[in-house]
Amino acid sequence: SAVISQKPSRDICQRGTSLTIQCQVDSQVTMMFWYRQQPGQSLTLIATANQGSEATYESGFVIDKFPISRPNLTFSTLTVSNMSPEDSSIYLCSVERNGFGNGYTFGSGTRLTVV
Amino acid sequence: GQSLEQPSEVTAVEGAIVQINCTYQTSGFYGLSWYQQHDGGAPTFLSYNGLDGLEETGRFSSFLSRSDSYGYLLLQELQMKDSASYFCAVKSNYQLIWGAGTKLIIKP
Repeated sequence: SAVISQKPSRDICQRGTSLTIQCQVDSQVTMMFWYRQQPGQSLTLIATANQGSEATYESGFVIDKFPISRPNLTFSTLTVSNMSPEDSSIYLCSVERNGFGNGYTFGSGTRLTVV
Repeated sequence: GQSLEQPSEVTAVEGAIVQINCTYQTSGFYGLSWYQQHDGGAPTFLSYNGLDGLEETGRFSSFLSRSDSYGYLLLQELQMKDSASYFCAVKSNYQLIWGAGTKLIIKP
């Protein structure tokens, strides 16, 4: 199954600034998914990133706040823009595990704290 | 709306067997998956059920009944390292719908 390298693993940022999170996959994948997870909570899908097209955002998430790039089939970035303390969370990227019963593989996550 | 229901917390004794249930209500259904997440870690895929019945992978088994919109994860011979949160997730159309997670507490 695919292996995802996600960075940074954690960061502490000032409010009003932006942070870009990167995910590199060791194989080509069609779709990459970006999630947010508050400690002790479930995963919330932010958007789905397809190579060569604009990302599809879920309700409550907008491109201006969470711009996504998907320049090729192995890489994607998520930017958290104009951050506020409410953006403090864990951000995860994910891809589907082809041939493994539709399971998904996750990056190791980015723990973001906004102060 | 779409929802998955699972217990928030389950407590069991080391060496015992525990079952975590999941009921779902989704607009589409392409399978039920289970994920394990340790504190500070990322979710890791455990099992998938696309058809009714039991799937076994070592100490872990997962069951699905599509007619009842119900599934469960069964963990046998519990070990302390199994202490984690367990999420059920339904593939509905193009995305995963996630349960709120069950925190499994294991006592020695």
